[in-house]
Amino acid sequence: DQQVKQNSPSLSVQEGRISILNCDYTNSMFDYFLWYKKYPAEGPTFLISISSIKDKNEDGRFTVFLNKSAKHLSLHIVPSQPGDSAVYFCAASVEEGGSEKLVFGKGTKLTVNP
Amino acid sequence: DTEVTQTPKHLVMGMTNKKSLKCEQHMGHRAMYWYKQKAKKPPELMFVYSYEKLSINESVPSRFSPECPNSSLLNLHLHALQPEDSALYLCASSRLRTGGYEQYFGPGTRLTVT
Repeated sequence: DQQVKQNSPSLSVQEGRISILNCDYTNSMFDYFLWYKKYPAEGPTFLISISSIKDKNEDGRFTVFLNKSAKHLSLHIVPSQPGDSAVYFCAASVEEGGSEKLVFGKGTKLTVNP
Repeated sequence: DTEVTQTPKHLVMGMTNKKSLKCEQHMGHRAMYWYKQKAKKPPELMFVYSYEKLSINESVPSRFSPECPNSSLLNLHLHALQPEDSALYLCASSRLRTGGYEQYFGPGTRLTVT
Protein backbone atom coordinates (compact mmCIF):
# COMPACT_ATOMS: atom_id res chain seq x y z
CA ASP A 1 0.00 0.00 0.00
CA GLN A 2 1.51 3.27 -1.11
CA GLN A 3 1.43 5.72 1.78
CA VAL A 4 2.81 8.69 -0.16
CA LYS A 5 1.40 9.31 -3.60
CA GLN A 6 2.49 11.60 -6.38
CA ASN A 7 -0.19 11.03 -8.96
CA SER A 8 1.36 13.07 -11.76
CA PRO A 9 4.37 11.28 -13.24
CA SER A 10 5.29 14.34 -15.25
CA LEU A 11 4.66 18.09 -15.53
CA SER A 12 5.70 20.57 -18.18
CA VAL A 13 5.69 24.35 -17.67
CA GLN A 14 7.05 27.43 -19.40
CA GLU A 15 10.00 29.32 -18.00
CA GLY A 16 8.87 32.12 -15.71
CA ARG A 17 5.54 30.50 -14.86
CA ILE A 18 4.57 28.68 -11.67
CA SER A 19 5.20 24.96 -11.22
CA ILE A 20 2.89 23.15 -8.79
CA LEU A 21 3.78 19.64 -7.73
CA ASN A 22 1.28 17.70 -5.65
CA CYS A 23 1.57 14.94 -3.09
CA ASP A 24 -1.03 13.03 -1.06
CA TYR A 25 -0.49 10.81 1.95
CA THR A 26 -2.61 8.31 3.84
CA ASN A 27 -0.87 7.86 7.18
CA SER A 28 -1.98 10.44 9.73
CA MET A 29 1.07 9.54 11.88
CA PHE A 30 3.32 11.38 9.43
CA ASP A 31 4.41 14.61 11.07
CA TYR A 32 7.16 15.99 8.87
CA PHE A 33 7.29 16.29 5.12
CA LEU A 34 10.16 16.95 2.74
CA TRP A 35 10.70 17.66 -0.94
CA TYR A 36 13.78 16.47 -2.81
CA LYS A 37 15.02 17.25 -6.30
CA LYS A 38 16.93 14.62 -8.22
CA TYR A 39 18.99 14.72 -11.40
CA PRO A 40 19.80 11.42 -13.17
CA ALA A 41 22.65 9.42 -11.60
CA GLU A 42 22.95 11.85 -8.68
CA GLY A 43 21.78 11.74 -5.08
CA PRO A 44 18.56 13.56 -4.15
CA THR A 45 19.04 17.16 -3.07
CA PHE A 46 17.01 18.40 -0.12
CA LEU A 47 14.83 21.38 -1.09
CA ILE A 48 12.40 22.29 1.63
CA SER A 49 10.47 20.74 4.50
CA ILE A 50 7.40 21.42 6.59
CA SER A 51 6.25 20.31 9.99
CA SER A 52 2.67 19.15 10.46
CA ILE A 53 2.07 22.03 12.88
CA LYS A 54 2.50 24.50 10.01
CA ASP A 55 0.55 25.03 6.82
CA LYS A 56 3.17 26.90 4.81
CA ASN A 57 6.93 27.16 4.57
CA GLU A 58 8.78 29.37 2.13
CA ASP A 59 12.40 29.43 0.98
CA GLY A 60 13.21 31.70 -1.93
CA ARG A 61 11.38 30.50 -5.04
CA PHE A 62 10.12 27.39 -3.26
CA THR A 63 6.99 27.26 -1.10
CA VAL A 64 5.45 24.15 0.41
CA PHE A 65 1.81 24.11 1.49
CA LEU A 66 0.32 21.51 3.81
CA ASN A 67 -3.39 20.75 4.16
CA LYS A 68 -3.59 18.28 7.03
CA SER A 69 -7.32 17.70 6.82
CA ALA A 70 -6.99 16.71 3.18
CA LYS A 71 -3.66 14.91 3.76
CA HIS A 72 -2.26 16.87 0.86
CA LEU A 73 0.85 18.92 0.27
CA SER A 74 2.12 20.85 -2.68
CA LEU A 75 5.38 22.42 -3.78
CA HIS A 76 5.21 25.71 -5.65
CA ILE A 77 8.17 26.94 -7.66
CA VAL A 78 7.93 30.49 -8.92
CA PRO A 79 9.28 31.64 -11.23
CA SER A 80 10.25 28.33 -12.81
CA GLN A 81 13.65 28.11 -14.48
CA PRO A 82 15.06 25.58 -16.98
CA GLY A 83 17.54 24.45 -14.31
CA ASP A 84 14.58 23.30 -12.21
CA SER A 85 13.99 20.47 -14.69
CA ALA A 86 14.46 17.30 -12.63
CA VAL A 87 12.50 14.60 -10.81
CA TYR A 88 10.89 15.84 -7.59
CA PHE A 89 10.21 13.43 -4.75
CA CYS A 90 7.82 14.07 -1.91
CA ALA A 91 8.71 12.26 1.33
CA ALA A 92 7.12 11.82 4.73
CA SER A 93 9.01 11.15 7.93
CA VAL A 94 7.92 8.48 10.38
CA GLU A 95 9.53 7.05 13.49
CA GLU A 96 10.39 3.36 13.58
CA GLY A 97 12.60 1.47 15.97
CA GLY A 98 13.73 4.70 17.59
CA SER A 99 14.89 6.10 14.26
CA GLU A 100 13.34 8.32 11.64
CA LYS A 101 12.76 6.89 8.19
CA LEU A 102 11.46 8.51 5.03
CA VAL A 103 8.61 7.18 2.94
CA PHE A 104 8.94 8.45 -0.62
CA GLY A 105 6.44 9.05 -3.35
CA LYS A 106 7.23 7.79 -6.85
CA GLY A 107 8.30 11.20 -8.07
CA THR A 108 7.16 13.77 -10.63
CA LYS A 109 9.38 14.67 -13.54
CA LEU A 110 9.30 18.43 -14.08
CA THR A 111 10.33 19.93 -17.40
CA VAL A 112 10.68 23.70 -17.62
CA ASN A 113 10.75 24.85 -21.21
CA PRO A 114 12.72 27.97 -22.19
CA ASP B 1 27.47 22.44 5.48
CA THR B 2 25.38 19.46 4.43
CA GLU B 3 27.91 17.36 2.56
CA VAL B 4 27.86 13.59 2.48
CA THR B 5 30.63 11.97 0.45
CA GLN B 6 30.62 8.52 -1.12
CA THR B 7 33.34 6.44 -2.72
CA PRO B 8 33.76 5.03 -5.24
CA LYS B 9 31.59 6.92 -7.70
CA HIS B 10 31.35 3.90 -9.99
CA LEU B 11 31.95 0.20 -9.30
CA VAL B 12 31.82 -2.82 -11.56
CA MET B 13 32.06 -6.20 -9.87
CA GLY B 14 31.60 -9.84 -10.71
CA MET B 15 29.21 -12.08 -8.85
CA THR B 16 32.05 -13.74 -6.91
CA ASN B 17 33.78 -10.52 -5.89
CA LYS B 18 33.87 -8.84 -2.51
CA LYS B 19 33.81 -5.05 -2.49
CA SER B 20 32.89 -2.23 -0.12
CA LEU B 21 31.16 1.11 -0.48
CA LYS B 22 32.17 3.95 1.78
CA CYS B 23 30.23 6.94 3.09
CA GLU B 24 31.48 9.82 5.20
CA GLN B 25 29.97 12.88 6.86
CA HIS B 26 31.52 15.37 9.25
CA MET B 27 28.42 17.26 10.25
CA GLY B 28 27.95 15.50 13.59
CA HIS B 29 24.80 13.78 12.36
CA ARG B 30 23.97 10.78 14.53
CA ALA B 31 21.84 8.85 12.08
CA MET B 32 23.12 7.43 8.80
CA TYR B 33 21.31 5.50 6.10
CA TRP B 34 21.87 3.24 3.09
CA TYR B 35 19.42 3.33 0.20
CA LYS B 36 19.20 1.54 -3.12
CA GLN B 37 17.73 3.31 -6.11
CA LYS B 38 16.76 1.80 -9.44
CA ALA B 39 16.12 3.94 -12.51
CA LYS B 40 12.84 5.90 -12.42
CA LYS B 41 12.06 4.65 -8.91
CA PRO B 42 12.24 6.39 -5.51
CA PRO B 43 15.08 5.56 -3.11
CA GLU B 44 14.47 2.30 -1.26
CA LEU B 45 15.66 2.19 2.36
CA MET B 46 18.07 -0.61 3.25
CA PHE B 47 19.62 0.16 6.65
CA VAL B 48 19.54 2.83 9.35
CA TYR B 49 22.25 3.39 11.92
CA SER B 50 21.48 5.54 14.95
CA TYR B 51 24.35 6.46 17.29
CA GLU B 52 26.51 3.85 15.51
CA LYS B 53 24.06 1.02 16.17
CA LEU B 54 21.94 -0.70 13.53
CA SER B 55 18.35 0.31 14.23
CA ILE B 56 16.54 -0.62 11.02
CA ASN B 57 17.23 -3.45 8.55
CA GLU B 58 14.58 -3.50 5.85
CA SER B 59 14.88 -7.26 5.32
CA VAL B 60 17.94 -6.82 3.13
CA PRO B 61 19.65 -10.02 1.87
CA SER B 62 22.77 -11.00 3.80
CA ARG B 63 24.97 -10.45 0.75
CA PHE B 64 24.76 -6.79 1.83
CA SER B 65 26.51 -6.19 5.15
CA PRO B 66 26.55 -2.72 6.71
CA GLU B 67 29.14 -1.46 9.16
CA CYS B 68 29.44 1.77 11.13
CA PRO B 69 33.03 2.05 12.43
CA ASN B 70 32.41 5.47 13.98
CA SER B 71 29.91 8.30 13.95
CA SER B 72 31.31 9.77 10.71
CA LEU B 73 31.73 6.62 8.63
CA LEU B 74 29.36 4.10 7.14
CA ASN B 75 30.39 1.13 5.00
CA LEU B 76 28.41 -1.32 2.93
CA HIS B 77 30.19 -4.60 2.30
CA LEU B 78 29.13 -6.49 -0.80
CA HIS B 79 29.62 -10.19 -1.47
CA ALA B 80 28.17 -12.63 -4.01
CA LEU B 81 25.87 -10.06 -5.53
CA GLN B 82 23.45 -10.76 -8.36
CA PRO B 83 23.03 -8.76 -11.58
CA GLU B 84 19.67 -7.48 -10.28
CA ASP B 85 21.58 -5.75 -7.47
CA SER B 86 22.93 -3.28 -10.03
CA ALA B 87 21.65 0.13 -8.95
CA LEU B 88 22.61 3.51 -7.52
CA TYR B 89 23.51 3.11 -3.84
CA LEU B 90 22.91 6.20 -1.78
CA CYS B 91 24.09 7.14 1.66
CA ALA B 92 22.38 9.77 3.76
CA SER B 93 22.69 11.35 7.17
CA SER B 94 20.10 13.32 9.07
CA ARG B 95 19.92 16.27 11.43
CA LEU B 96 17.16 17.35 13.73
CA ARG B 97 15.37 20.53 12.79
CA THR B 98 12.33 22.17 14.33
CA GLY B 99 9.58 19.63 13.84
CA GLY B 100 11.54 16.75 12.37
CA TYR B 101 14.64 15.25 10.82
CA GLU B 102 16.05 16.28 7.45
CA GLN B 103 18.06 13.75 5.50
CA TYR B 104 20.95 14.78 3.28
CA PHE B 105 22.10 12.43 0.56
CA GLY B 106 25.49 11.75 -0.93
CA PRO B 107 26.06 11.61 -4.70
CA GLY B 108 25.76 7.83 -4.78
CA THR B 109 27.80 4.89 -6.05
CA ARG B 110 26.71 3.49 -9.40
CA LEU B 111 27.12 -0.29 -8.99
CA THR B 112 27.11 -2.71 -11.90
CA VAL B 113 27.19 -6.45 -11.19
CA THR B 114 28.31 -8.57 -14.14
